[in-house]
Amino acid sequence: KQEVTQIPAALSVPEGENLVLNCSFTDSAIYNLQWFRQDPGKGLTSLLLIQSSQREQTSGRLNASLDKSSGRSTLYIAASQPGDSATYLCAVPYSGAGSYQLTFGKGTKLSVIP
Amino acid sequence: GAGVSQSPRYKVAKRGQDVALRCDPISGHVSLFWYQQALGQGPEFLTYFQNEAQLDKSGLPSDRFFAERPEGSVSTLKIQRTQQEDSAVYLCASSLNRGNEKLFFGSGTQLSVL
Repeated sequence: KQEVTQIPAALSVPEGENLVLNCSFTDSAIYNLQWFRQDPGKGLTSLLLIQSSQREQTSGRLNASLDKSSGRSTLYIAASQPGDSATYLCAVPYSGAGSYQLTFGKGTKLSVIP
Repeated sequence: GAGVSQSPRYKVAKRGQDVALRCDPISGHVSLFWYQQALGQGPEFLTYFQNEAQLDKSGLPSDRFFAERPEGSVSTLKIQRTQQEDSAVYLCASSLNRGNEKLFFGSGTQLSVL
């Protein structure tokens, strides 16, 4: 059974700081990994999707890396802004019968202080 | 539509009542997923449709939960004889093709069973 762990559970940083969020998973036989953002009372927004053949993906100030062999991914946020405050979740396809079934971590709640 | 639409946004039910939650995915999206998110947790997979076919319902917690997508577009998640442990946010997501790709989530239905 795939298990996903995110550390830290919560993080508070001053505006402008660079930061790293961590995600680890137990079964390295994954097709891809997605990072999502969730604002309070809202659904999830997909930020980045890294295919298993890739090592990283970038979108604006966000950079996600993937190391399948060690079962780890990191989300790097550069020059953080108050608008980045949200919960960030990583998810990998369940390693069982269906690769479409995602297993999520509990998320990292980020607060960027102006 | 422009995004995934879910209704109602909030639902309060008395224990024992039946509820129906609606999801309207992005037009033309083949895959549709239902997830359940408890407070402070990541979403957990409930069921998956490819067009009108329910290919995986392994995540449904009990036979009180039933989902359908009869015409391959709108989906309904029905919960019979609701119980307090059913209280959660129910998220619907869709993707263009056969899953394992970028997911688009709705804002969810927050169900409270009293």
